[in-house]
Amino acid sequence: AQSVTQPDIHITVSEGASLELRCNYSYGATPYLFWYVQSPGQGLQLLLKYFSGDTLVQGIKGFEAEFKRSQSSFNLRKPSVHWSDAAEYFCAVGPLNDYKLSFGAGTTVTVRA
Amino acid sequence: DTGVSQDPRHKITKRGQNVTFRCDPISEHNRLYWYRQTLGQGPEFLTYFQNEAQLEKSRLLSDRFSAERPKGSFSTLEIQRTEQGDSAMYLCASSLGVVAADANEKLFFGSGTQLSVL
Repeated sequence: AQSVTQPDIHITVSEGASLELRCNYSYGATPYLFWYVQSPGQGLQLLLKYFSGDTLVQGIKGFEAEFKRSQSSFNLRKPSVHWSDAAEYFCAVGPLNDYKLSFGAGTTVTVRA
Repeated sequence: DTGVSQDPRHKITKRGQNVTFRCDPISEHNRLYWYRQTLGQGPEFLTYFQNEAQLEKSRLLSDRFSAERPKGSFSTLEIQRTEQGDSAMYLCASSLGVVAADANEKLFFGSGTQLSVL
C-alpha cells in the first residue's frame, strides 16, 4: 500500500521568510515522489519530482525538496517566500501500477505581508 | 499545447439528478486519469484510460459512476442519481507516457469541475 502524510494542515509565513513543508510517505518499493501546488480555481501544477539519483531535487518557482529514505520523508523548501506562493501544496507518492498516485491531504500556505 | 480542459467549471444539481462532465486532454496524450478531491483532502484516484481502454476503476466509483473515452480522445464522467456525498471537485489529468518510466514524464491536470449536490 502507498500513503502520504502531510502533518501540517496550515502554515502562515511572512513574505521573504523561508518555508518548509513536511511530507512523510509509506511505499513498498523505491518511491517516486512529487510535490504539486494548487492555487484557488486552478488545477494542480507539478513543482518537482524525485525519480532517482540525487536526493536533492530542484523544481520550478525556486522550490527544492530533499528525499530522505531513512526518514521516509520528502520535505519541500523555499528560501524566500513571495506573496504569490500562497496556495495549497500536495505531496504525492507512486505510481502504483505505473500510473496511480496517492496524495496527501495538503498543506495550505498563507503569506503575510 | 492548450492544456487539459474541463467542462463545466461548476455544476449545481439536485439530489437524484444525473450529471455529465467532459475532459479534453492535451491532444497527443494517450493516457487520461480522473481524480476526485473533497474539501480538505488531496485528490483520490478514480479511473485510468490508456487510449480508449479503461484499465482501472477505483472502488470509490460506485455503479452510479461511469466513465468513457470514445476514440481515445476526450473523456466523459457521468454520475447517475447524484447524492450529496458526490459533492466534490472532479479533476482530469493526462500524460503522454508512463509516469513511472521517465523522469520527465508527468501528469497535466485540468482546473476541475466543482460539483455541488443540493
